[in-house]
Amino acid sequence: DTAVSQTPKYLVTQMGNDKSIKCEQNLGHDTMYWYKQDSKKFLKIMFSYNNKELIINETVPNRFSPKSPDKAHLNLHINSLELGDSAVYFCASSRKGGERNYGYTFGSGTRLTVV
Amino acid sequence: AQRVTQPEKLLSVFKGAPVELKCNYSYSGSPELFWYVQYSRQRLQLLLRHISRESIKGFTADLNKGETSFHLKKPFAQEEDSAMYYCALRGASGGSYIPTFGRGTSLIVHP
Repeated sequence: DTAVSQTPKYLVTQMGNDKSIKCEQNLGHDTMYWYKQDSKKFLKIMFSYNNKELIINETVPNRFSPKSPDKAHLNLHINSLELGDSAVYFCASSRKGGERNYGYTFGSGTRLTVV
Repeated sequence: AQRVTQPEKLLSVFKGAPVELKCNYSYSGSPELFWYVQYSRQRLQLLLRHISRESIKGFTADLNKGETSFHLKKPFAQEEDSAMYYCALRGASGGSYIPTFGRGTSLIVHP
């Protein structure tokens, strides 16, 4: 059983399109995250949700909008895609943020290529 | 503000050589520190947590609060250790726990 699953694994799309990436975790974790890994492998947090509530919203363009229908799902919708959005997007989850010493479980990533 | 610094983008060693991947952090409170590993085109996986004082795949990491460091070490590198390694810190900010990752160090172990 995959603990954190993302779909699709690969996404190639044209500039200006709108696309969504889905993430689901079956670990019973309360907190979920979206990370962006750029071409230089730099990993940067974008959003975090705790029990469907947004708790971290880093400096990310408004074109990116996370949606959490329940605590097991955190989807990422991107409007008006730009070339610079090309990256690997990782979903992750963890136990609720107040508990110490638990790491993050990552999904396998979605490689987004904007052409 | 919390920050994680991995000064080396690339570390290249031969099989059997000792390895040390450096990680320094900046955080005003009591930090939670982790090492993650990402093999080629795979997901990030948790390697070590500082609180556990464990050894995973021969790797160890000791938290040095005086030097604000959490270096990852292995006495004898293996080819299968070749991967991207990320040091991460989880610190509190405004009631939330913010995870911060370093820029990563690419370890290449030559045969």
